[in-house]
Amino acid sequence: DAGVTQSPTHLIKTRGQHVTLRCSPISGHKSVSWYQQVLGQGPQFIFQYYEKEERGRGNFPDRFSARQFPNYSSELNVNALLLGDSALYLCASSLARPSTDTQYFGPGTRLTVL
Amino acid sequence: DQQVKQNSPSLSVQEGRISILNCDYTNSMFDYFLWYKKYPAEGPTFLISISSIKDKNEDGRFTVFLNKSAKHLSLHIVPSQPGDSAVYFCAASARGSTLGRLYFGRGTQLTVWP
Repeated sequence: DAGVTQSPTHLIKTRGQHVTLRCSPISGHKSVSWYQQVLGQGPQFIFQYYEKEERGRGNFPDRFSARQFPNYSSELNVNALLLGDSALYLCASSLARPSTDTQYFGPGTRLTVL
Repeated sequence: DQQVKQNSPSLSVQEGRISILNCDYTNSMFDYFLWYKKYPAEGPTFLISISSIKDKNEDGRFTVFLNKSAKHLSLHIVPSQPGDSAVYFCAASARGSTLGRLYFGRGTQLTVWP
């Protein structure tokens, strides 16, 4: 069975640009969460979607937004990129509610902002 | 404010010996704890979890111990193998909440040498 997939693998952008990252959850999983991992730190929670609705948001500015589609895939959008947005962006899926089911991570998208 | 702490950034162990990775947490609402393993250029891989109603959970070579009074958990790997060399993240969540977001430590780099 395919695990969580993310695209693209790597991305290089310049300051002020916009980026869209994509995630496909494990088949049958209805919940997707997004995390940001900067070098030397653990992943930090950005968003959580369950049944296509936003269920939670971490301490990130409004430049970050996301959505979940009817097939449960998800997009993370970041506007007006800053150098500090350079990080590994991880998507995790869980069967149902993340509060009760283990979250499984994709390989991540490495974003570099120049 | 770091609610999950891994105070040892690195650990080096000889093959065949026991590896013990430690994790402390501050939030008494946390009731579910997980360990993830991460290789370079990959996303975190779920390893083992424990609920706060238990104090020990075993899965093959991996055992997680939870000391709720001390707000401390540890991961034991016996025997350690070179393929175990990776960054290990401790994570916690409050499953009683509807959110279930994961809080991660900064990780411990485990190196198992022959």
